[in-house]
Amino acid sequence: GIQVEQSPPDLILQEGANSTLRCNFSDSVNNLQWFHQNPWGQLINLFYIPSGTKQNGRLSATTVATERYSLLYISSSQTTDSGVYFCAAYYGGATNKLIFGTGTLLAVQP
Amino acid sequence: DAGVTQSPTHLIKTRGQQVTLRCSPKSGHDTVSWYQQALGQGPQFIFQYYEEEERQRGNFPDRFSGHQFPNYSSELNVNALLLGDSALYLCASSFPETTYEQYFGPGTRLTVT
Repeated sequence: GIQVEQSPPDLILQEGANSTLRCNFSDSVNNLQWFHQNPWGQLINLFYIPSGTKQNGRLSATTVATERYSLLYISSSQTTDSGVYFCAAYYGGATNKLIFGTGTLLAVQP
Repeated sequence: DAGVTQSPTHLIKTRGQQVTLRCSPKSGHDTVSWYQQALGQGPQFIFQYYEEEERQRGNFPDRFSGHQFPNYSSELNVNALLLGDSALYLCASSFPETTYEQYFGPGTRLTVT
């Protein structure tokens, strides 16, 4: 079946460090979203990026659809960046349902 | 611009009971999807509603049902609750006529004892 895999599963950083999170998907996608889930469970939209590169402040994302992966870059990390990062893919069909990866748990230490 | 809202925030139920969760979509959105997130896992698609009809269902039993109202808000009902139904239930809204991007509400945390 369709799979979305994320790596690494866990990541511990010192404040100010940079990091790269990876998302691999098993088939061509129509949509790829990155989310940050805060400690209260809220999924916050980071990027809607079916292809190409986008940047928003210290965060940027790149999706290479032909090679079936997406990367999320976090620069100059802050403690508020801590939480779980999910990528989710939409593969087409009757609805735009998302298939989520298992997430990357990020802890940024002061 | 109001985002996606959900109620209640938390809920505790006993096995065998029934529960109703509510969701109001983001302004301008007409499509509502429901997801279940068990502890330590990514959200799993339950079903989606559009024009007051269920358009697609994930791998969930018939105990899970829903409804969409003319104002696009939605309810998720779960009957005969099991301990395994304990999870965070997330509602997402979108307007797929123009973009596939989905926006999520804060979730309802359901505990079944």
